[in-house]
Amino acid sequence: SQKIEQNSEALNIQEGKTATLTCNYTNYSPAYLQWYRQDPGRGPVFLLLIRENEKEKRKERLKVTFDTTLKQSLFHITASQPADSATYLCALDMSGSSASKIIFGSGTRLSIRP
Amino acid sequence: EAGVTQSPTHLIKTRGQQATLRCSPISGHTSVYWYQQALGLGLQFLLWYDEGEERNRGNFPPRFSGRQFPNYSSELNVNALELEDSALYLCASSPEGLPYNEQFFGPGTRLTVL
Repeated sequence: SQKIEQNSEALNIQEGKTATLTCNYTNYSPAYLQWYRQDPGRGPVFLLLIRENEKEKRKERLKVTFDTTLKQSLFHITASQPADSATYLCALDMSGSSASKIIFGSGTRLSIRP
Repeated sequence: EAGVTQSPTHLIKTRGQQATLRCSPISGHTSVYWYQQALGLGLQFLLWYDEGEERNRGNFPPRFSGRQFPNYSSELNVNALELEDSALYLCASSPEGLPYNEQFFGPGTRLTVL
């Protein structure tokens, strides 16, 4: 069955640097891949969606790439700020398979130190 | 515009009891999703309702069930509670059950089973 792995449980970087989070999946490529942000005690908030035929998507300081050959998505936050500290989740949409549901990764906890 | 609401915020039950969790989607949204987020684990897909019907369910035993009402609100019922059911239960809604639609999450219900 499809599995998702996010590169590390936690990532700690200096303010102003670029944070790069990784999402790897096994088996077949999803039609869509989404990234969410989750703050402690709150529900996830949608950030970006990228389709399988798109290589890159940007939104303000955020950039997502999708490499179906490597079966990997990278999520970048440029000019990171302490307010960017949160857990970031990637989610695969399995539409096109019989499952037709979204699978979430376990998340990467990002900490930006001043 | 009001977001997704969930009630109660916290719920404490003992083993063997039943729990009922409620979710009201964003006005105009017809799809409701339920997820379980146990400590240290990612979001696990539980159930998806659209237009009053169960469209898909995750790998959970039958004691996890639910329904969607004509006004699109939803209930999640967990029977014969076990200690490992303790988790944050998140509800999300989307305009319709299409894979490229972002999901809007509620704040969650924290269920504690003693």
